[in-house]
Amino acid sequence: AQSVAQPEDQVNVAEGNPLTVKCTYSVSGNPYLFWYVQYPNRGLQFLLKYITGDNLVKGSYGFEAEFNKSQTSFHLKKPSALVSDSALYFCAVRDTQTGANNLFFGTGTRLTVIP
Amino acid sequence: EPEVTQTPSHQVTQMGQEVILRCVPISNHLYFYWYRQILGQKVEFLVSFYNNEISEKSEIFDDQFSVERPDGSNFTLKIRSTKLEDSAMYFCASSEGINTGELFFGEGSRLTVL
Repeated sequence: AQSVAQPEDQVNVAEGNPLTVKCTYSVSGNPYLFWYVQYPNRGLQFLLKYITGDNLVKGSYGFEAEFNKSQTSFHLKKPSALVSDSALYFCAVRDTQTGANNLFFGTGTRLTVIP
Repeated sequence: EPEVTQTPSHQVTQMGQEVILRCVPISNHLYFYWYRQILGQKVEFLVSFYNNEISEKSEIFDDQFSVERPDGSNFTLKIRSTKLEDSAMYFCASSEGINTGELFFGEGSRLTVL
């Protein structure tokens, strides 16, 4: 069975400081990992994904994430937070062993960037 | 940029009534999905659809739910007899069909069951 854990419901960070939103996963086979962002009353927007290759992946709006196989983690990071980054962030996984094409989402982390 | 569109944006219905939520996926995509989100919380998978049939479904997707692709563009979710707990934001998504591909989501349809 696949699962995704986002241990922090809420992350607060000051504008200009680095931010990290944590994600750990559990799958049977190799994981395909994704990050999505949701602004208020909007749909989910794709930020970045890890499929294979370089463990550090770069995505939209200056975000990046690092795949760590030994720790089964895929934390989202940004060197300098903006107030406009305040939103709900979801980590998601696709388990390649099951052959299923859908994504399984974590519970979300609300990021608040304080001016 | 192509996008997934959903209608209606908000529907209010009485308990026991049938509801149909509509989606137009991105035109060259092959997989279609419905997810729901209750009170801005966890995004829950309902069903995926490929080649005119359901490919996966969750335990949430019981006999009250059905999906259909009635023509070449629309993808619908029907709830036969709505319950209070069906109140949620329903998101349609589509993907190219390769398993490395991301899902593209619509803006959602908010369903309120009274």
